[in-house]
Amino acid sequence: GAVVSQHPSRVICKSGTSVKIECRSLDFQATTMFWYRQFPKQSLMLMATSNEGSKATYEQGVEKDKFLINHASLTLSTLTVTSAHPEDSSFYICSAVTGGQYGYTFGSGTRLTVV
Amino acid sequence: GESVGLHLPTLSVQEGDNSIINCAYSNSASDYFIWYKQESGKGPQFIIDIRSNMDKRQGQRVTVLLNKTVKHLSLQIAATQPGDSAVYFCAEGTGLQGAQKLVFGQGTRLTINP
Repeated sequence: GAVVSQHPSRVICKSGTSVKIECRSLDFQATTMFWYRQFPKQSLMLMATSNEGSKATYEQGVEKDKFLINHASLTLSTLTVTSAHPEDSSFYICSAVTGGQYGYTFGSGTRLTVV
Repeated sequence: GESVGLHLPTLSVQEGDNSIINCAYSNSASDYFIWYKQESGKGPQFIIDIRSNMDKRQGQRVTVLLNKTVKHLSLQIAATQPGDSAVYFCAEGTGLQGAQKLVFGQGTRLTINP
């Protein structure tokens, strides 16, 4: 089946630094990927839709200059959290559109802790 | 705005019993619904989906029921096992499968008692 690999699984960074999270589709091409953020004991909140070769579409309230998304190839989308602050600490999850039986496949998530 | 919600935030069942997890949605234009299972520290795992032109779909030990009249979705898990302990989310999408973003419900934590 379709596999989405997300890296790193955990990252700790200092306040003010930037962190890049990668989302790769391993055995299929994904023209569309999604980025979600999940706070403890809460649901997944869509941050943005990433389209290969074009600018990402951000959800209302998500700062595009803070959460930079790049989808330069059909198998890779990256999310960069710039000038991270402790309130950015969260679980970030990507998903890719696969079509077929599962429609959407999710990565295993990245636990970001900003200290 | 449009939203997907759940009636019960937590559910405890005895091992071997059947579990029913409910979900209410408000976007009448949604035509695709998915149930996901999420274990601690992991991404959501697909369980079963259903299109709006159906009212029931069965998988292995799971059944999804869709009632469009009252905008209600449910997930039934038969003979619940310890490995079923997780948080379950419903999600709704609009448009062609895979072409639209998903909106997630609040989630229900399912706990299995031995």
